[in-house]
Amino acid sequence: QQQVKQSPQSLIVQKGGISIINCAYENTAFDYFPWYQQFPGKGPALLIAIRPDVSEKKEGRFTISFNKSAKQFSLHIMDSQPGDSATYFCGGGYNKLIFGAGTRLAVHP
Amino acid sequence: EAQVTQNPRYLITVTGKKLTVTCSQNMNHEYMSWYRQDPGLGLRQIYYSMNVEVTDKGDVPEGYKVSRKEKRNFPLILESPSPNQTSLYFCASKLPGSPLHFGNGTRLTVT
Repeated sequence: QQQVKQSPQSLIVQKGGISIINCAYENTAFDYFPWYQQFPGKGPALLIAIRPDVSEKKEGRFTISFNKSAKQFSLHIMDSQPGDSATYFCGGGYNKLIFGAGTRLAVHP
Repeated sequence: EAQVTQNPRYLITVTGKKLTVTCSQNMNHEYMSWYRQDPGLGLRQIYYSMNVEVTDKGDVPEGYKVSRKEKRNFPLILESPSPNQTSLYFCASKLPGSPLHFGNGTRLTVT
């Protein structure tokens, strides 16, 4: 059973545009919501994370928006760059993390 | 350098031939886990370990074994590999309340 549903599966954005990836979770016991970035041939690496007592967190060009009542959270990448082209995974949980199926982002120059 | 090291990076084997994928971390993390990554399915947890000698099943444990005799090592064992275990495998570790650190993966092909 998939407890974290991620969309879209793939995304193409022009350089300088905004990339938006969404996730919905089912388990209300989750208390940690990370986004991981994965480049080909590499393991996923933490990009940004949020806890449910915060509605938004911004780090540079990356922002997480969290809607606890809707059980949804999203990743916004502002001024998207070709170097952002990667696969992004959302997750939920704490000691046992459950991940979404991933979004392949391509930023075209 | 703080890291999670998996070996081998690539492995091709035949059905039924036992294999072990090693995982080692140098960050003194108590928590370690194994994931498999398949297209369209994302990362699915196989087993995890909260500490030495403490292991527990994840979401897809069938056909896999693990052991945690030392804090730094967490090998993944396939006693009798089958083609449906062809996948990309990741080991990860972390401290409580901190994010997962992943290794660079092991691509396994079972023919």
